[in-house]
Amino acid sequence: DAGVTQSPTHLIKTRGQHVTLRCSPISGHKSVSWYQQVLGQGPQFIFQYYEKEERGRGNFPDRFSARQFPNYSSELNVNALLLGDSALYLCASSRSRALYEQYFGPGTRLTVT
Amino acid sequence: DAKTTQPPSMDCAEGRAANLPCNHSTISGNEYVYWYRQIHSQGPQYIIHGLKNNETNEMASLIITEDRKSSTLILPHATLRDTAVYYCIVRVGAGNTPLVFGKGTRLSVIA
Repeated sequence: DAGVTQSPTHLIKTRGQHVTLRCSPISGHKSVSWYQQVLGQGPQFIFQYYEKEERGRGNFPDRFSARQFPNYSSELNVNALLLGDSALYLCASSRSRALYEQYFGPGTRLTVT
Repeated sequence: DAKTTQPPSMDCAEGRAANLPCNHSTISGNEYVYWYRQIHSQGPQYIIHGLKNNETNEMASLIITEDRKSSTLILPHATLRDTAVYYCIVRVGAGNTPLVFGKGTRLSVIA
């Protein structure tokens, strides 16, 4: 079975622009979580979605939003990009809402110039 | 904030056991200890988790002290492919809370 997939792999945007990142979970997994990983730091939790509803939100501004589709894939949207948004954005899926084992995708590397 | 303390880096000779320590002195009774690792340019990978008993799987062993204030992840025969950042995380066992990553331990396996 395919693992978690994310697109695009790399992305370069300018300050003030908007970006949409995409994630497809492992088949049969209904929960998707998003994390931001700044260089040299561990991943930081942004959102969790389960059954198309937001189940958790980290300490990120309202410029960050997400949604989950009926096929359980997910999008992360970031508006009004700042230089500090440059990071690796990771998507993780798990079978249920309980996050015992999360399976991470390879991430999307976002660079804001 | 992360509830764990780990050394920033460690070296291990290939073929030897890698013992990665983690301090979690404020752990609560309903919190589990999880270990993930992140190989360069990849997403984190789940390794193992436990509550108070020692655990073993095909990847590693987890030894938790009796007072649960610290634990050790053991890779019995480290290979070059085990070079990665290893994260020790404590979280409520029901699993409805997100993972809170610290900076982890950068393990370098040396030939």
